[in-house]
Amino acid sequence: DTEVTQTPKHLVMGMTNKKSLKCEQHMGHRAMYWYKQKAKKPPELMFVYSYEKLSINESVPSRFSPECPNSSLLNLHLHALQPEDSALYLCASSQARGVDGYTFGSGTRLTVV
Amino acid sequence: GQQLNQSPQSMFIQEGEDVSMNCTSSSIFNTWLWYKQDPGEGPVLLIALYKAGELTSNGRLTAQFGITRKDSFLNISASIPSDVGIYFCAGPIRGGGATNKLIFGTGTLLAVQP
Repeated sequence: DTEVTQTPKHLVMGMTNKKSLKCEQHMGHRAMYWYKQKAKKPPELMFVYSYEKLSINESVPSRFSPECPNSSLLNLHLHALQPEDSALYLCASSQARGVDGYTFGSGTRLTVV
Repeated sequence: GQQLNQSPQSMFIQEGEDVSMNCTSSSIFNTWLWYKQDPGEGPVLLIALYKAGELTSNGRLTAQFGITRKDSFLNISASIPSDVGIYFCAGPIRGGGATNKLIFGTGTLLAVQP
């Protein structure tokens, strides 16, 4: 299995809602990542998990809360988002040191209304 | 912070033409990666480069790791309509401790007219 699976593919949520994005990989990768991508812009790193521990938080607002329940799963919990948080959220995984390139999922298209 | 600048920003070409794009940085990289992103999808790794001067091919794609380690180039020969998409260069930088993080270039949008 050489895929990163993200669910849901599309999500529309209100500013008072709580929702979660899910990501799963079975490649034995020990590093997992969340990226945010606005239209026609490059992906921007949000969080890095290494061996199920949060190792990098790129000063992301607390309304985004990541969770890594085990080595195959990565969640992103969303609460009280703003319309400007609407974007494509990408999950990726890699070997632990992350120098050989990341495998990306297809992303979740999030719209906050 | 570190930035990767790509040029050109966009290209509109005819099917069958060759394409060249590049990526430059003010800092040295030890690895250069090239990704392609189709609309509504995640980036897909095309080519990885690990050594200055290295030239690597993947079908009609050829990428080079610049001698200065501050740039990389991607060429596509005999373009076809499915080459349409955004091409990103990327490189890992130290993110803290032993963790690396991947940063992306500004992207080159390629449009191919049949």
